[in-house]
Amino acid sequence: KQEVTQIPAALSVPEGENLVLNCSFTDSAIYNLQWFRQDPGKGLTSLLLIQSSQREQTSGRLNASLDKSSGRSTLYIAASQPGDSATYLCAVRGNNNDMRFGAGTRLTVKP
Amino acid sequence: ETGVTQSPTHLIKTRGQQVTLRCSSQSGHNTVSWYQQALGQGPQFIFQYYREEENGRGNFPPRFSGLQFPNYSSELNVNALELDDSALYLCASSDSGGWQPQHFGDGTRLSIL
Repeated sequence: KQEVTQIPAALSVPEGENLVLNCSFTDSAIYNLQWFRQDPGKGLTSLLLIQSSQREQTSGRLNASLDKSSGRSTLYIAASQPGDSATYLCAVRGNNNDMRFGAGTRLTVKP
Repeated sequence: ETGVTQSPTHLIKTRGQQVTLRCSSQSGHNTVSWYQQALGQGPQFIFQYYREEENGRGNFPPRFSGLQFPNYSSELNVNALELDDSALYLCASSDSGGWQPQHFGDGTRLSIL
């Protein structure tokens, strides 16, 4: 059974810092991995999708990497802003279309 | 481009009742997935529909059932509601059976009394 873990559970940084969020998964047989952000009381917003054959994806200040063999992904946020404050979730898609989510990292960027 | 919309936004039910939640997929998307998110946790996969057929299911009992219609909108039905069913229910749509990024609605907050 696929288990997804996100570390840290919460993170508070001053504005302008670069930061890394971590995601690990136990079963390397995945189709893809997706990073989302979730604002309080809202649905999820897709940030980056990495297919199993890819190593990384970039969008603006965000960069996500995938090391399938070690069961790890990182989300790098450059020059953080208060508007980046949200919960960040990673999810892996398995062979049976099952999407497994981590519990998320709650990020606070202080002005 | 119309995003994913869910209705209702909030719902209160009592134990033992039945509920139907609705989801309109983003235009052009043929795949819809449903998730249950308890407070403070990540979403849990309930099931996925691709072109009106269920093609993936998580670890949820049969009292959780679904439908996808020819226009790719979808329903989630839950029978015999239990207190633990209180959660945010999220619908997500995508193209090509789920290989593309999923786009989420804002969810339905279901409270069981």
